[in-house]
Amino acid sequence: RKEVEQDPGPFNVPEGATVAFNCTYSNSASQSFFWYRQDCRKEPKLLMSVYSSGNEDGRFTAQLNRASQYISLLIRDSKLSDSATYLCVVAGGTNAGKSTFGDGTTLTVKP
Amino acid sequence: DVKVTQSSRYLVKRTGEKVFLECVQDMDHENMFWYRQDPGLGLRLIYFSYDVKMKEKGDIPEGYSVSREKKERFSLILESASTNQTSMYLCASSLVQPNSPLHFGNGTRLTVT
Repeated sequence: RKEVEQDPGPFNVPEGATVAFNCTYSNSASQSFFWYRQDCRKEPKLLMSVYSSGNEDGRFTAQLNRASQYISLLIRDSKLSDSATYLCVVAGGTNAGKSTFGDGTTLTVKP
Repeated sequence: DVKVTQSSRYLVKRTGEKVFLECVQDMDHENMFWYRQDPGLGLRLIYFSYDVKMKEKGDIPEGYSVSREKKERFSLILESASTNQTSMYLCASSLVQPNSPLHFGNGTRLTVT
């Protein structure tokens, strides 16, 4: 079983749709959680950190459920420019700097 | 804004060559990392370093070594390149504190022929 698991998709949605991604992790000692966005043939870029209380940044909402060991990302009012691969990242344990990546969920937003 | 710079965007090397991939960050980050990314396998950690002259093996260190002589610079070395090391290599850095995200360079696409 992988340490961090994501539904690979692809998710194909029309503009304006709401889409949600989930990610589960196996290490209960994990301390830090992030969502990254990666465009084709580019490096991953930080989309948002995920806090226990949940957090929102414009159309994006991230939530953490420690009891069930999953994090989620909700994108509202999808734009064409949201098309990308979304990576779930979990870090912590003995070395807070070491991160484990999910394989990513691919989103395509269509006109 | 954090800047992580990788020395080459594209690199083509021959089997058996010694290859150096360089990475420099300008934000005084303690942690630096080397990942490789392959289709269907995601990002896999090769080596990381949390201080000058310190290094730790990641998940796939075989065939690689690293050097961190200065805080801002972290080098990945392929001692004898092989075709199965053809990949996208990504360098990243972060602060040592929990909840500090990784900042990536724009990657080096290495082809070994």
